[in-house]
Formats: sequence, structure tokens, C-alpha cells
Amino acid sequence: DIQMTQSPSSLSASVGDRVTIACRASQSISNHLNWYQQKPGKAPKVLIYAASALQSGVPSRFSGSGSGTDFTLTISSLQPEDFATYYCQQSYNLPPIFGQGTKLEI
Amino acid sequence: QVQLQESGPGLVKPSQTLSLTCSVSGAAISVGSFYWSWIRQPAGKGLEWIGRIYTSGSTSYNPSLKSRVTISLDTSKNQFSLKLTSLTAADTAVYYCARMYAQIIVDQGDYFVMDVWGQGATVTVSS
Repeated sequence: DIQMTQSPSSLSASVGDRVTIACRASQSISNHLNWYQQKPGKAPKVLIYAASALQSGVPSRFSGSGSGTDFTLTISSLQPEDFATYYCQQSYNLPPIFGQGTKLEI
Repeated sequence: QVQLQESGPGLVKPSQTLSLTCSVSGAAISVGSFYWSWIRQPAGKGLEWIGRIYTSGSTSYNPSLKSRVTISLDTSKNQFSLKLTSLTAADTAVYYCARMYAQIIVDQGDYFVMDVWGQGATVTVSS
């Protein structure tokens, strides 16, 4: 299986900050990379697919980049509702594997 | 608007079989190019994909669970189900059902994404 590693595991930031979360795949996955946001007690919500395509309805302050093995999720100006845990997930082959998550805290 | 809702027992004994159902509203599960998936998340931990079933009924499972998992469709009830056998405490988790589909990007290809999720069902394996 492809392994997905996120960094950092946790991150403290303030409203208005620009934040970047990294995700690395154990082998090339081209741009088959999704990003999800999960709030406590809730199901994950897809933000980005194909490494950089914004899912419908997701605010434009979220952006993704990368290809091959290295990817990033950037939030350009943190809003109070963005404090959550973020997961990357490879969709290159089965089984879909998620990163361990990055908890974004105030 | 498509909505998914998990249902099933909250407590199951070790060595027994877990049966969960995902009820789908707002769309027919037998129509379209969708994969209906199960994912689980132990408390405080990350997400693990369990498997999926296509609208045609073909299945794919995570190799780590394949020997214990069965996913099936019930088109008459617009539901799909998960059976997980030989339970241990390690199977204690929140179980989510989700819709997976291929987002097509012209000149690039198909990109699979899980876009609609249920709220999750908490399952505890304990005697």
C-alpha cells in the first residue's frame, strides 16, 4: 500500500494567519490527492481533489498544490471555522489511504 | 440533495459479526456511476477505508480486512450494508458510509473523491 505522511501533526495559529500543511506519499501518485477537513464529532468534508481542484462550495481561501510525492494544503487567511483536523488521501489506487491528520488549533 | 444515514447496534461482543446499514435518500443507489463506501475511525485516530460497492454490485475491499468484510446492496430499500466478522476490541470505531465518484477533469483523467458522508455510527466491541 501507498503510505501517506502529513506534517506537522499539530499546528497552532491565529485568525488571519496563512497556514500550510504538507503531505508526502511513499511513491508517486501523480496528482491523485484529496484533502478533507474534519471537525470534532462530524464526518470528513472534501475540500480539494486532484491535488489542486477546489470542491464545489469550498471557500477560495483553501488551495492545494503539488504532484508526484509532495503536496501542500494552504489556507490563505484562517477563519474561526477553519480550526479542525485535516487529512490528505491518495486516490491513485486501491485502497485509498489517508494521512494521519494535522490538527489545526487556535 | 443526497443524504446518507448509518444504522446498527452500538455494542457488539467479541468474536461476533457486526452488521451496519447505510440508508441513502435523494438518489437511487442503483443508478449512476457511484461507489458506495465504508470507512472507519477509532477514537482519536485516523481514517481507514474498509471497502466499496459499485452500482453494478461489484466490490473492492481493503486487503487488511478483506477476509472479514462483506459489502452488499439492497436496491429495493435503497440501502447498502457492511458485515464484519470475528470482531475484536480493535474494531471499536466510528463507522462512516460515504459516496465515492470519479470527478472527470478534461485532458487529465478521473479523480475519485468521497463527497457525501453519513454522520457516523459508533460501534463498541466489548463483552
